[in-house]
Amino acid sequence: DAGVTQSPTHLIKTRGQQVTLRCSPKSGHDTVSWYQQALGQGPQFIFQYYEEEERQRGNFPDRFSGHQFPNYSSELNVNALLLGDSALYLCASSPGQGGLNTQYFGPGTRLTVL
Amino acid sequence: AQSVTQLDSHVSVSEGTPVLLRCNYSSSYSPSLFWYVQHPNKGLQLLLKYTSAATLVKGINGFEAEFKKSETSFHLTKPSAHMSDAAEYFCGTSSNTGKLIFGQGTTLQVKP
Repeated sequence: DAGVTQSPTHLIKTRGQQVTLRCSPKSGHDTVSWYQQALGQGPQFIFQYYEEEERQRGNFPDRFSGHQFPNYSSELNVNALLLGDSALYLCASSPGQGGLNTQYFGPGTRLTVL
Repeated sequence: AQSVTQLDSHVSVSEGTPVLLRCNYSSSYSPSLFWYVQHPNKGLQLLLKYTSAATLVKGINGFEAEFKKSETSFHLTKPSAHMSDAAEYFCGTSSNTGKLIFGQGTTLQVKP
């Protein structure tokens, strides 16, 4: 079992550009959540996808959007990048939405916005 | 609203001595609580999770945590620190719908 995988590992963009990050969940998991971890901070919840729909969302602007595919993989898109979007973006998968389900994290994508 | 507070941003111990990382929570109902560890340039790994079963929760790598409702605490302990334990540790809670809420993190330094 490969666990949760994310691509790319690192990414450098300039302000105003758009970026797409990708996540493949652990085998058997159907729910994907995305988190943003700024330097020196705890991860912050962005949104969660289940059955190809956004089910809940954290306090992030509409510039952050996502998608889930039929194979449960997911993308995170960020438009009009700001310097403050520089962070480690973590994807987590779980077997269902419930709070009792353990979320397994990928290694993250380090995004740097110049 | 649910929240967690990690009381120490940095903890330093000597190898072989006990580890105590402190976490307090705020929740209007019986919470689901967890501790994750993050080694440098790595994702998060679950150490242990409390879900209203036994109040003393045993995790991986010799870590354990005790849920104390009267103190609204969920402190992480380990009897004897190892150099490989040096990492960032996050306490957190989970909503009913699976949204994870993390604390600010505690950096554990282990000195030889």
